[in-house]
Amino acid sequence: QKEVEQNSGPLSVPEGAIASLNCTYSDRGSQSFFWYRQYSGKSPELIMFIYSNGDKEDGRFTAQLNKASQYVSLLIRDSQPSDSATYLCAVTATTDSWGKLQFGAGTQVVVTP
Amino acid sequence: GAVVSQHPSWVICKSGTSVKIECRSLDFQATTMFWYRQFPKQSLMLMATSNEGSKATYEQGVEKDKFLINHASLTLSTLTVTSAHPEDSSFYICSVRSLRGLKEQYFGPGTRLTVT
Repeated sequence: QKEVEQNSGPLSVPEGAIASLNCTYSDRGSQSFFWYRQYSGKSPELIMFIYSNGDKEDGRFTAQLNKASQYVSLLIRDSQPSDSATYLCAVTATTDSWGKLQFGAGTQVVVTP
Repeated sequence: GAVVSQHPSWVICKSGTSVKIECRSLDFQATTMFWYRQFPKQSLMLMATSNEGSKATYEQGVEKDKFLINHASLTLSTLTVTSAHPEDSSFYICSVRSLRGLKEQYFGPGTRLTVT
């Protein structure tokens, strides 16, 4: 079982719709959770982080965390073609003191005009 | 966030030669940096954790004698790919760890290495 799992996609979303991305993790002790966006040929860019159960909103992005279910999600509202990218979920590794993150393989999102 | 630079952004080298990649933290002192590798259409693979003033910690399966990491200052870490081979061709990305408690990482722009 992978430590951080995401659907690889591609997730096709009409422009203006909501994109919903899911991520599950196996380390119950993980405390911090991150969403990165990676455009093709570019490096990852941090877009959201969350550490408390519930929702956190930042502009068109909402991160949702449920530690009991070991589940974190990302909603992208009013999706735009510029949101087309691969979204990486990352969680802290509790066994590591240096701040190592465990990354999922990423979900490719394609926003169609 | 944090501003991280990498140099060079792309490099082509011949098989058997060595290549050095620099990673700089431009707006804060980074005691910990990470080096990743990413092959086309694949996910990020952590290669090593670079700690200022001490030896790097390598992930299982990563040859420490082939991928030399030096973190001599709080703003600079270097990765040297020694005796490069075509299979080392990849996208190498460094990241710096935030000083804040959440430990988020900020990535450099990456270096695309092609070994001919």
